[in-house]
Amino acid sequence: KAGVTQTPRYLIKTRGQQVTLSCSPISGHRSVSWYQQTPGQGLQFLFEYFSETQRNKGNFPGRFSGRQFSNSRSEMNVSTLELGDSALYLCASSLEGRHGSTDTQYFGPGTRLTVL
Amino acid sequence: DQQVKQNSPSLSVQEGRISILNCDYTNSMFDYFLWYKKYPAEGPTFLISISSIKDKNEDGRFTVFLNKSAKHLSLHIVPSQPGDSAVYFCAASRRSSNTGKLIFGQGTTLQVKP
Repeated sequence: KAGVTQTPRYLIKTRGQQVTLSCSPISGHRSVSWYQQTPGQGLQFLFEYFSETQRNKGNFPGRFSGRQFSNSRSEMNVSTLELGDSALYLCASSLEGRHGSTDTQYFGPGTRLTVL
Repeated sequence: DQQVKQNSPSLSVQEGRISILNCDYTNSMFDYFLWYKKYPAEGPTFLISISSIKDKNEDGRFTVFLNKSAKHLSLHIVPSQPGDSAVYFCAASRRSSNTGKLIFGQGTTLQVKP
């Protein structure tokens, strides 16, 4: 099976612009989660989507949003970019376990966003 | 409030010896724990996990131990190989709450010397 794929791998934007990142989960995985990794804050949870619905959200401002499509592919959008949004954005997918609990998450290679 | 902590930023071991990476957590509601390995500019790679109903799980050279009373888990790598050199993250979740949210530690950089 192919792993989680993310596009683009690298992106350079300027302050005030917006950006859309894309994630394709492992085939059969219906849960997609997004994380931000920065040197200062480490890996932080942004949000999770399951069956096209946002199921959980981390402590990020409303400028960060996402969505999931019927084929489980997901996008995240950051509007009005700030310098502090420069980070590695990681997407992870997982199956839905037998008891409705989320299984192990498998990560994509990430999108490196640089805001100038 | 950092719910998952890896107090050692770095660890250096000799090839063939045991590497022990440690992780502490504060939230007693966590019921699923994972270890990931990460190289620069790549996504984390899943290594091994453990449910809170167990105290040990093995997969080849990797063993994870969970001590619920101490809220502590550790990853043992035996024998260590130079290719194991990477950043290791422990993560915790409330799997039963169906949130899909992993809380990560800050990571420990492991260097295995030939």
